[in-house]
Amino acid sequence: EAEVAQSPRYKITEKSQAVAFWCDPISGHATLYWYRQILGQGPELLVQFQDESVVDDSQLPKDRFSAERLKGVDSTLKIQPAELGDSAMYLCASSLVSGGNEQYFGPGTRLTVT
Amino acid sequence: GENVEQHPSTLSVQEGDSAVIKCTYSDSASNYFPWYKQELGKRPQLIIDIRSNVGEKKDQRIAVTLNKTAKHFSLHITETQPEDSAVYFCAAGPNTGFQKLVFGTGTRLLVSP
Repeated sequence: EAEVAQSPRYKITEKSQAVAFWCDPISGHATLYWYRQILGQGPELLVQFQDESVVDDSQLPKDRFSAERLKGVDSTLKIQPAELGDSAMYLCASSLVSGGNEQYFGPGTRLTVT
Repeated sequence: GENVEQHPSTLSVQEGDSAVIKCTYSDSASNYFPWYKQELGKRPQLIIDIRSNVGEKKDQRIAVTLNKTAKHFSLHITETQPEDSAVYFCAAGPNTGFQKLVFGTGTRLLVSP
């Protein structure tokens, strides 16, 4: 069964450094999501892509976070510079289309900022 | 925007008992309500969902009910088993379009043998 892939699985970085996360969605899925999950809370949407276009980035801290999905397939989320409060699990998900469709999650990248 | 509240935050039951998790939402435009299960160290996975055109949906030991008037929906697990132990998240969002899915804060269910 096809799965969403993410790398790295774990990342430890010092504050003020740059970090990048990669996601490869299930083949054929047009919609890709990046979520941040703080321990003990539900996933919070950071950015949503439809193909290569951003359709929602209202909760993305744009002064330090950026995301791209250049060819409408895989995606990269970058943080520069990282802050202590960015420590969290970063989950990528994909779905065939947006709205009312099952989202398939990747294993996540656990980020620790020291 | 949408706001989803979930209760309880933790729930402990004995094997064989029933478990109920409740969620409320604020946006009357939401009409898609999925439930995700996240086992320790694993990715969230969809276990059941319901759309606003039905009031109840059942899949073996799992059922979900929806009350659109009161803006609340619930997950019911019957005959609980130790492998049901996990964190369960409810969510609310649109059935179509690009408006985002909003998740609740999660319920940690512990089923003791």
